[in-house]
Amino acid sequence: QKEVEQNSGPLSVPEGAIASLNCTYSDRGSQSFFWYRQYSGKSPELIMSIYSNGDKEDGRFTAQLNKASQYVSLLIRDSQPSDSATYLCAVIRSGGGADGLTFGKGTHLIIQP
Amino acid sequence: ETGVTQTPRHLVMGMTNKKSLKCEQHLGHNAMYWYKQSAKKPLELMFVYNFKEQTENNSVPSRFSPECPNSSHLFLHLHTLQPEDSALYLCASSHNRVMGEQFFGPGTRLTVL
Repeated sequence: QKEVEQNSGPLSVPEGAIASLNCTYSDRGSQSFFWYRQYSGKSPELIMSIYSNGDKEDGRFTAQLNKASQYVSLLIRDSQPSDSATYLCAVIRSGGGADGLTFGKGTHLIIQP
Repeated sequence: ETGVTQTPRHLVMGMTNKKSLKCEQHLGHNAMYWYKQSAKKPLELMFVYNFKEQTENNSVPSRFSPECPNSSHLFLHLHTLQPEDSALYLCASSHNRVMGEQFFGPGTRLTVL
């Protein structure tokens, strides 16, 4: 059974601080990893993808991957109230082609002004 | 907007009705997906189509019937649904060569009475 685990939260972080979101996955064959942001009543929006061990930075977002520990994280620097949303971790087994994503339940992040 | 559209955005139907959900992608992608998002459960993959061919059916009941006439259009035909099928139905698309990055439409909020 492929599983992706996330702490459901809510995770409360003061404005301007670093928000740290974590995710573990069970399928060692997973090769591609994604973070989606979902605002209440909206659909998921892709914000980061990562495929190899280490860090990947994009603006205020940094994704971290450790395949040996089966662990993915997302750091949000200089958190803003607009970052308040549910963050979904998703993994995919294949390195390409069309394959369905396996999602975690998401972490509800609240940025306090 | 991500270039993936879904209609209708909201749908209320009785258990004996037949209805269809439509998805269209304007991104030049070749793979399309249906996902279901229910309260307190992770996003669940339902179907995958790659170049119009169904490549995955995630043990979905036969009252859900997908159709993919071309790489830009995807339908989900619904008949004799149950109240527990009430959920947000999300369509996504991806390009085979972009390592699984999937982009979601706004979803159809379905209520089965």
